[in-house]
Amino acid sequence: NAGVTQTPKFRVLKTGQSMTLLCAQDMNHEYMYWYRQDPGMGLRLIHYSVGEGTTAKGEVPDGYNVSRLKKQNFLLGLESAAPSQTSVYFCAVRLAGAQSTDTQYFGPGTRLTVL
Amino acid sequence: AQSVTQLDSQVPVFEEAPVELRCNYSSSVSVYLFWYVQYPNQGLQLLLKYLSGSTLVKGINGFEAEFNKSQTSFHLRKPSVHISDTAEYFCAVSSSGNDYKLSFGAGTTVTVRA
Repeated sequence: NAGVTQTPKFRVLKTGQSMTLLCAQDMNHEYMYWYRQDPGMGLRLIHYSVGEGTTAKGEVPDGYNVSRLKKQNFLLGLESAAPSQTSVYFCAVRLAGAQSTDTQYFGPGTRLTVL
Repeated sequence: AQSVTQLDSQVPVFEEAPVELRCNYSSSVSVYLFWYVQYPNQGLQLLLKYLSGSTLVKGINGFEAEFNKSQTSFHLRKPSVHISDTAEYFCAVSSSGNDYKLSFGAGTTVTVRA
């Protein structure tokens, strides 16, 4: 999984609570992505980063914020959790450089339940 | 804009039988195509990818896929499945012009029966 770790693995929140998910990589990847996975919908991109200090919106950014203060870490924040944010969250990094290795590799996921 | 359609949501198959999972994509630019597999309660693992060159791509665990530009398809095949191939399979597309963001299909659940 290209050295991608996610913290925590599981979390249960009450509506209105806040939390931060951490994605950490131990290699020097420029690109990092946050996806959510919901049944029957595949994975959808929430936010992404093309380098330290940069972030951009994906397909479903509402209700989430992100930060990439250090190249190794990409944080996903929920300021006021809602039941609709119950999902499995995956972080991915992009191995770039030679075109033949241009691929995203995924972390193990965080299962979040909002009551 | 790019999108992916996986034509089958569920595919039941008997052990040692062949399987084909269908994937169609739409994009206005040149694309990169991927198949990922997700075993129960696990993350996504790359099966194979098409970036350029030969349209027949071989991946891990005996899977292969064929890129067909005229039909905008990237179907996944395995000639003989095992019980351990029971999983969910995702087709995905990206392109160089949009920061390599992946767009995923809804997934195909393959259930292999003895």
